[in-house]
Amino acid sequence: AQRVTQPEKLLSVFKGAPVELKCNYSYSGSPELFWYVQYSRQRLQLLLRHISRESIKGFTADLNKGETSFHLKKPFAQEEDSAMYYCALRDSGGSNYKLTFGKGTLLTVNP
Amino acid sequence: DAGITQSPRHKVTETGTPVTLRCHQTENHRYMYWYRQDPGHGLRLIHYSYGVKDTDKGEVSDGYSVSRSKTEDFLLTLESATSSQTSVYFCAITGQGRGSGNTIYFGEGSWLTVV
Repeated sequence: AQRVTQPEKLLSVFKGAPVELKCNYSYSGSPELFWYVQYSRQRLQLLLRHISRESIKGFTADLNKGETSFHLKKPFAQEEDSAMYYCALRDSGGSNYKLTFGKGTLLTVNP
Repeated sequence: DAGITQSPRHKVTETGTPVTLRCHQTENHRYMYWYRQDPGHGLRLIHYSYGVKDTDKGEVSDGYSVSRSKTEDFLLTLESATSSQTSVYFCAITGQGRGSGNTIYFGEGSWLTVV
């Protein structure tokens, strides 16, 4: 079974401070990991995927298979980063491409 | 944004009535999903489809059924709505493979209230 854990429901930082949103997963195969962001009452948007290894809006995330983690980081938080963030894992080893989400972390960046 | 639309966007219904939500895509993607989003639970998979007439249950499928008679439409039906099904429902779509072509796109959500 695949499972995604985001240990922090809420995270509050000040503008300009570093931010790290934690994500741990359990999966027996070779996972695809994603971060999605949801601004207030809007659709989820893809922020990052581990296979692309890119930086979006200053955010980065590295897949650590040894620690089964995919933490999201940004060195200097901005007020516009305030949103709900979801870590997600996809089973791409089978044929159904099922996507499993963590429960989300609500990030608030204070001025 | 990907060509994915949900309807209706907002609905209030009474307990015991059937409700159908529609997800329509113009991307010709093979995989389609229905999730519900609730505070403290994140997004939970209700049902998903991996092709026309091919569907399977997710983790919270009780009280829901789905149908996919053509590639572009994935319908979610609440056979007899209950207050516990008050939620925001999101549809998602994706293609195949591990490259950028299989990005998962979400609809704008359908707000359902069961009174």
